[in-house]
Amino acid sequence: AQTVTQSQPEMSVQEAETVTLSCTYDTSESDYYLFWYKQPPSRQMILVIRQEAYKQQNATENRFSVNFQKAAKSFSLKISDSQLGDAAMYFCAYRSPFAGNNRKLIWGLGTSLAVNP
Amino acid sequence: DGGITQSPKYLFRKEGQNVTLSCEQNLNHDAMYWYRQDPGQGLRLIYYSQIVNDFQKGDIAEGYSVSREKKESFPLTVTSAQKNPTAFYLCASRRDVDTEAFFGQGTRLTVV
Repeated sequence: AQTVTQSQPEMSVQEAETVTLSCTYDTSESDYYLFWYKQPPSRQMILVIRQEAYKQQNATENRFSVNFQKAAKSFSLKISDSQLGDAAMYFCAYRSPFAGNNRKLIWGLGTSLAVNP
Repeated sequence: DGGITQSPKYLFRKEGQNVTLSCEQNLNHDAMYWYRQDPGQGLRLIYYSQIVNDFQKGDIAEGYSVSREKKESFPLTVTSAQKNPTAFYLCASRRDVDTEAFFGQGTRLTVV
């Protein structure tokens, strides 16, 4: 079974600085999807970025980028020029491309990010 | 604007009572999901539905029930059989299995 591990329960960063959140996963599949979701204090889950495993190029969305290391099964999120609004819980998630169990999301336990002014 | 609406935002239940959490979407999505979120445990899948009048159990379905009579609606009933119902509940939907999920704002259920 697939698992997702986020080894940093809490992180902090100074405003305008860069921070990297770690995520590792375990799978025997060769093709899959990886996601980073953000959960701000409002508690609504918001998709930050998505990566398809068959794509070697790291995904980027404005200030958010990933470092996808398929062989190492690592999927870290880098937030550049951190803003106060980035303060949230960040979840890493894995999804199989296969039909079993409706390709459900496998979630990490989250990393709480604080942004200091 | 399209989106997912969960109501109520806060819900209190006495022990032994059933309660129903509402989830409505106007995104025309086929698939809908219910997750439970507890501190330190991440998200766990309760039930999901890929199409109207069909739904499947997730990882922690015991003590819960759902219905999917309309594409737009996927209500979750927390029954008295659920031993520890106090939690934050999130509803999600997606257009098909190859697209990302969109989430509602959640319902905080507290048993008093």
